[in-house]
Amino acid sequence: NAGVTQTPKFQVLKTGQSMTLQCAQDMNHNSMYWYRQDPGMGLRLIYYSASEGTTDKGEVPNGYNVSRLNKREFSLRLESAAPSQTSVYFCASSGWAKTEAFFGQGTRLTVV
Amino acid sequence: QQQVKQSPQSLIVQKGGISIINCAYENTAFDYFPWYQQFPGKGPALLIAIRPDVSEKKEGRFTISFNKSAKQFSLHIMDSQPGDSATYFCAAIDSGSARQLTFGSGTQLTVLP
Repeated sequence: NAGVTQTPKFQVLKTGQSMTLQCAQDMNHNSMYWYRQDPGMGLRLIYYSASEGTTDKGEVPNGYNVSRLNKREFSLRLESAAPSQTSVYFCASSGWAKTEAFFGQGTRLTVV
Repeated sequence: QQQVKQSPQSLIVQKGGISIINCAYENTAFDYFPWYQQFPGKGPALLIAIRPDVSEKKEGRFTISFNKSAKQFSLHIMDSQPGDSATYFCAAIDSGSARQLTFGSGTQLTVLP
């Protein structure tokens, strides 16, 4: 029962470097999401994908790109990392009713 | 602009006490109100949820109270236990086709033994 799996768990980047955060779910969910969590800010939606082949911007999309590779996988890319992108990133998925989101364990990213 | 406002930011309760976390919203398009619980190093997990046509929902020691006219809802944890120590997020889902989940800022609960 893997649920939502994120890789890597930890990452340190230098300013200007790029990287891709990977996410996969095994619950046959249509919808997938990327959130960032910062102290005192809750979780803020970066991008979401309502179904395979579609992606839409959330509240804080600047500096990020996403790819819905197939129904299982949804990746988040930072093209040129900035210190302001230091955060904990969570991937989530939800079923057709979208009343419950299932989260991965997060990726703690530090940009120096 | 924060669409779901949550308070307090942190809360310390003695074992056996009642923990109360409050949230308020403005967007009347919200039609589902879940609470998520997050332990350190883990992702949030759904704890309990309520629809606005219900004023209260109870699951074990956890109760949501909902006041639609005031656009406020709260989580009550009865007989709080040290194992309840976690961060709690209220959230709201809009009735549109995207049904996006909007979170409050979180409350860090510590239950002292």
